Amino acid sequence: DIQMTQSPSSLSASVGDRVTITCRASQSISIYLNWYQQKPGKAPKLLIYAASTLQSGVPSRFSGGGSGTDFTLTISSLLPEDFATYFCQQSYSTFSFGPGTKVDI
Amino acid sequence: QVQLQESGPRLVKPSQTLSLTCTVSGGSISSGDYYWSWIRQPPGKGLEWIGYIYYRGSTYYNPSLRSRLTISADTSNNQFSLHLSSVTAADTAVYYCARISIVGVVKNFDHWGQGTLVTVSS
Repeated sequence: DIQMTQSPSSLSASVGDRVTITCRASQSISIYLNWYQQKPGKAPKLLIYAASTLQSGVPSRFSGGGSGTDFTLTISSLLPEDFATYFCQQSYSTFSFGPGTKVDI
Repeated sequence: QVQLQESGPRLVKPSQTLSLTCTVSGGSISSGDYYWSWIRQPPGKGLEWIGYIYYRGSTYYNPSLRSRLTISADTSNNQFSLHLSSVTAADTAVYYCARISIVGVVKNFDHWGQGTLVTVSS
């Protein structure tokens, strides 16, 4: 099984801040990495797939990078609607999710 | 725009079978372009992939759940279902159905149902 870890587990930020979340896989997964945003009581929403490709309709302030075992999700300038929990997910070998990073004020 | 909606009992007794149905609208589960999946999230915890079904009926399950799990499809009603037997309190979770899209070779969950909380309790 491929284990996914994320850091930090939570962070406090302000509107306008640049935020970077890190995701690490227990083995190389090439670019088989997706990012999701989840707000309380809602289903996750796909933000980025294949490590760096923005899903249609997702604002350009979101960006992803990395390959192999280390990946990042960056929000260039936080807006109020970006306060949420973010999950990474690998699809190299079946599927597994990271534990999530909660971004709050 | 494809939409998914989960339905089924919200309360299941221990040792019984948890059964949920996902109804898909705005797209056909018979399309060979997508897989159809179940994912769950215990309250306050992370996401766990349960399994998926492909339109031809082939399935792939999370090994940790395989012995208790069946996923099936009803193409005439554009639905797919989850059956998890011998449930315990550890199976209490929000259950989501989701569509798996494949871009190149990378699979992602691009559309989700709203989720339904299923509680296992006597």
